[in-house]
Amino acid sequence: AQKVTQAQTEISVVEKEDVTLDCVYETRDTTYYLFWYKQPPSGELVFLIRRNSFDEQNEISGRYSWNFQKSTSSFNFTITASQVVDSAVYFCALNLRSQGNLIFGKGTKLSVKP
Amino acid sequence: DTEVTQTPKHLVMGMTNKKSLKCEQHMGHRAMYWYKQKAKKPPELMFVYSYEKLSINESVPSRFSPECPNSSLLNLHLHALQPEDSALYLCASSQVGPAGAYEQYFGPGTRLTVT
Repeated sequence: AQKVTQAQTEISVVEKEDVTLDCVYETRDTTYYLFWYKQPPSGELVFLIRRNSFDEQNEISGRYSWNFQKSTSSFNFTITASQVVDSAVYFCALNLRSQGNLIFGKGTKLSVKP
Repeated sequence: DTEVTQTPKHLVMGMTNKKSLKCEQHMGHRAMYWYKQKAKKPPELMFVYSYEKLSINESVPSRFSPECPNSSLLNLHLHALQPEDSALYLCASSQVGPAGAYEQYFGPGTRLTVT
C-alpha cells in the first residue's frame, strides 16, 4: 500500500528559528516521485520541489532545504531562519509511475510567530 | 508563467441551483485536475483530464459533472448539491509524461458553500 505520513500535525516556532518538517512514505514501487507543497491561508497550493526516486541528492533553495533518504523512506524539509511569511500548511506527496495520482500526507501546519 | 486561474473565488448556492466552476491555464499543460479539499484535510482527487479526455473519475457523484472544452479550460458543473459538498475546490494542471513525473500547478481555488 502507498502512504505518506506527516507525523507533526502542528508546529509553532519563533521567527528566525530553524524548523524541520518530517515526511515518511511507503511504497513498493521502484520508480516514484516525491513533492512538497505549501498552502498559505489564501488556499492555493504552491509547488516547492519534486524529487524522483533515483535522485537522492539533497537540495537547497535559499532558506529551504530537503533531505531525501531512501534508506529510511524519508523526505524531510527544513526551513532555516524562519519568517512569518512561512506560516502555512505544508503537504508532502507521493506519486507513483504505476499510478499517476498524488498521494498526500495529512499536512503539517507551521506557525511562525514574530 | 506558472499561473492557474479559477473563478469564482467564492460561491454560495442552494441545493436546487445549477452553477459552474471555471479553471484556466496557459502553460501548455495537457493534463488538468479537479480536487476537493475539506477544512484541515489534504486535497482529494476528483477528476483527471488528459488531452481533453476524461481519464480518471474517482467515483464522484453525478451531481458533479466535469467538462474540458479545450486544452486551456476546465469546468466543473454543479447541480443538486448537498451541504456536505461545501469545500474548497482546487484546479491543477501539469505536463503529460511518465505517470507521476511532473509537478502539478494549482489554482487559488473556489470556496463553495451549499445552503
